[in-house]
Amino acid sequence: KAGVTQTPRYLIKTRGQQVTLSCSPISGHRSVSWYQQTPGQGLQFLFEYFSETQRNKGNFPGRFSGRQFSNSRSEMNVSTLELGDSALYLCASSLAQAGETQYFGPGTRLLVL
Amino acid sequence: AQSVSQHNHHVILSEAASLELGCNYSYGGTVNLFWYVQYPGQHLQLLLKYFSGDPLVKGIKGFEAEFIKSKFSFNLRKPSVQWSDTAEYFCAVNAGGSYIPTFGRGTSLIVHP
Repeated sequence: KAGVTQTPRYLIKTRGQQVTLSCSPISGHRSVSWYQQTPGQGLQFLFEYFSETQRNKGNFPGRFSGRQFSNSRSEMNVSTLELGDSALYLCASSLAQAGETQYFGPGTRLLVL
Repeated sequence: AQSVSQHNHHVILSEAASLELGCNYSYGGTVNLFWYVQYPGQHLQLLLKYFSGDPLVKGIKGFEAEFIKSKFSFNLRKPSVQWSDTAEYFCAVNAGGSYIPTFGRGTSLIVHP
């Protein structure tokens, strides 16, 4: 089975711009979660999508949004980028059962200048 | 809300030394527990997990973890580390039937050859 894929792998943006990141889950996985990883903060949960609906949401401002398509692929968008948004953005997929193992993609490394 | 504490942020060991990484969580009910590992330049991947049954769980690459319910702990151990164990280790907890795990901040392990 192919793993979780994320595109692009690297991005450089400037403050004020917006960015869209993409995630393709493992085939058959219907839940997709997004995390922000920064040094010293670990993984901060952004949101989770299941069946094209946002099922869970973390404590991030409204500049961070996402969506899921009928084929379970997901995108996240960050508008009006700030320097502090520089991070590794990880996508994880799972079978959507409570407590299930999450399978992570390689991440998209975003640098905001 | 549940929280996960990893007490050791940075650990430096020589090869063949024994390893124990601490993980404590704050939730009094049923939990699913995970250790994930992120090798340099690689995806975050599952090392081991506990859902129920024997509280001593064995994972890949000789790692094991023990769930001690009375101490709300799930410490990771390895009797003899190798240089290839250099990585970042994350403890995660799914509590109360939650779909989303809460991650600790991670422990960076460096093993000197």
